[in-house]
Amino acid sequence: EIVLTQSPDTLSLSPGERATLFCRASQTVRSGNLAWYQQKLGQAPRLLMFDASIRAAGIPDRFSGSGSGSDFTLTITNLEPADFAVYYCQQYGTPPLTFGGGTKVEIK
Amino acid sequence: QVPLVQSGAEVKTPGSSVTLSCKASGGTFSTRNSVSWVRQAPGQGLEWMGGITPSLGFVTIAQRFQGRLTITADTSTATAYLELSSLTFEDTAMYFCAGDQNWFDPWGQGTLVTVSS
Repeated sequence: EIVLTQSPDTLSLSPGERATLFCRASQTVRSGNLAWYQQKLGQAPRLLMFDASIRAAGIPDRFSGSGSGSDFTLTITNLEPADFAVYYCQQYGTPPLTFGGGTKVEIK
Repeated sequence: QVPLVQSGAEVKTPGSSVTLSCKASGGTFSTRNSVSWVRQAPGQGLEWMGGITPSLGFVTIAQRFQGRLTITADTSTATAYLELSSLTFEDTAMYFCAGDQNWFDPWGQGTLVTVSS
């Protein structure tokens, strides 16, 4: 199965700053079949991006995704208080579907 | 996207089974929709368990759960079910259902399963 490694484990930033989160796959993720999710404490995950760079409905353009092959990036510009959460990547190019271990974005 | 509503929390003993439900609140499953189950152990990440395409009855199950995980769906009630048997303490987790378009959206609110003696 494809193993997804997210980095860093924790990102300590202040509101207004830019967050850059990385997701590296153990092998090529076919057709950029990668999604990103945001999860706040005690809540279900929320879809942010799919197909690596397409924002889900209602997601502000402060969130952007990029990458291909085995390296992917989620960028959040101008961090707002609501953005401090845990972020997961997920690949769906090759069964079984797998998730990364998550990156926590915390307030500095 | 049709919201998904899950059944309530469960407390089970080791060796027993648990059945969880996930209902599409709009009352129907789209013929294109699949539903997957994803679990999250306390303080841990997300793990895909398996999924079903209700209109086709097609089921896929992650290898580590094969033999003790059953996923079914009732299209007449727009409800998907997860049955996990031979529970151990390591099955204590929040279990989510989610609409599966390869990516997961929307998500149910989650059902906490606690395995305790």
